[in-house]
Amino acid sequence: GIQVEQSPPDLILQEGANSTLRCNFSDSVNNLQWFHQNPWGQLINLFYIPSGTKQNGRLSATTVATERYSLLYISSSQTTDSGVYFCAVETQGGGFKTIFGAGTRLFVKA
Amino acid sequence: GAGVSQSPSNKVTEKGKDVELRCDPISGHTALYWYRQRLGQGLEFLIYFQGNSAPDKSGLPSDRFSAERTGESVSTLTIQRTQQEDSAVYLCASSLWVGTGSFHYEQYFGPGTRLTVT
Repeated sequence: GIQVEQSPPDLILQEGANSTLRCNFSDSVNNLQWFHQNPWGQLINLFYIPSGTKQNGRLSATTVATERYSLLYISSSQTTDSGVYFCAVETQGGGFKTIFGAGTRLFVKA
Repeated sequence: GAGVSQSPSNKVTEKGKDVELRCDPISGHTALYWYRQRLGQGLEFLIYFQGNSAPDKSGLPSDRFSAERTGESVSTLTIQRTQQEDSAVYLCASSLWVGTGSFHYEQYFGPGTRLTVT
């Protein structure tokens, strides 16, 4: 089945720093989402981005479907950005299973 | 409703007992998903419902797990004869299905049910 790999697994930033999180996937997908899981466990939608580039405030994302990767950019990080960032892909063919990566655990220091 | 809701928020049960978890999707969302998240780990897909189509049960870890959904409304996930390894947070999500293009829009998640098997 499809493999979804996220890097780095862990990241520690000083408040105000920028970072790039990466998601690689091994096969064609119908769509791709980025989520932030906050320290209370709630999954928050960041981007629905099967292809192209989107921006929302300090966050932006780019998916290059033909090369099977997506990037999440966090600029001017804040302590509230701490948590786990997941990418999730919907597989093509044989149903519509959603596969999550293992996540990037981000800690932003004040 | 305004969002996906799940109940109970917490459930503690003894090994061997059956449990039933409930999910209320966003009104109008035809697709519904169940996931399991063990402590410190990612989300594991369990089962997917789309309208009246046969569900995709390929992620259910054993025959002790089953799920039902009535039409495009509430879903229940049942775990029979619970084991300690079933302890996890069970998350439900719903999304809108675009039949003409055969894809889903974004998934929205509920707060989860934390299951502890003692």
